[in-house]
Amino acid sequence: KAGVTQTPRYLIKTRGQQVTLSCSPISGHRSVSWYQQTPGQGLQFLFEYFSETQRNKGNFPGRFSGRQFSNSRSEMNVSTLELGDSALYLCASSKTGTGIGNTIYFGEGSWLTVV
Amino acid sequence: EDQVTQSPEALRLQEGESSSLNCSYTVSGLRGLFWYRQDPGKGPEFLFTLYSAGEEKEKERLKATLTKKESFLHITAPKPEDSATYLCAVRDYNNNDMRFGAGTRLTVKP
Repeated sequence: KAGVTQTPRYLIKTRGQQVTLSCSPISGHRSVSWYQQTPGQGLQFLFEYFSETQRNKGNFPGRFSGRQFSNSRSEMNVSTLELGDSALYLCASSKTGTGIGNTIYFGEGSWLTVV
Repeated sequence: EDQVTQSPEALRLQEGESSSLNCSYTVSGLRGLFWYRQDPGKGPEFLFTLYSAGEEKEKERLKATLTKKESFLHITAPKPEDSATYLCAVRDYNNNDMRFGAGTRLTVKP
């Protein structure tokens, strides 16, 4: 069974540019969530999508946005990139995202470097 | 606000030297406590989910336990391949997002 797939794995962008990251969840999983991981802040929740609707959102500025498609694939977009946006961006999927102990499974992440 | 604190930040063990990692949490209503393992440059790998106090789960050299305020990840006779960062996370009934601790970086020397 294929795991969570994220593309691209590595990318370098310039300040002020925008970036789109893609995530394909595990087959049958309808919830996709996104996280930012940095050495200083650890793993921080960005947002969660379920059935093409954003169901939950973390404490990040509006430059961070996402969407989910009817096949459950998801994209996240960061506009007007800042140096501090350099991080590992992780996508995770779960069957429903809610319910007692619903487990999320992570992809390998997309490494974003902003120069 | 939900809080997850992991200790120690880093732990160095000799191969075969058993130890425990701690995860203390504060939530209004625990919907689940999760343990993950993360190798450098990779995404977290799921290990365990615990739902209620008193629950225990085991996998090879790892055993996770849960009380009302904390969880322990016991590592018995660790091997160098157990070296990784171990992350703890909680899901609260009020906030569906996962709240992660900062992790414990484990190094096992041969």
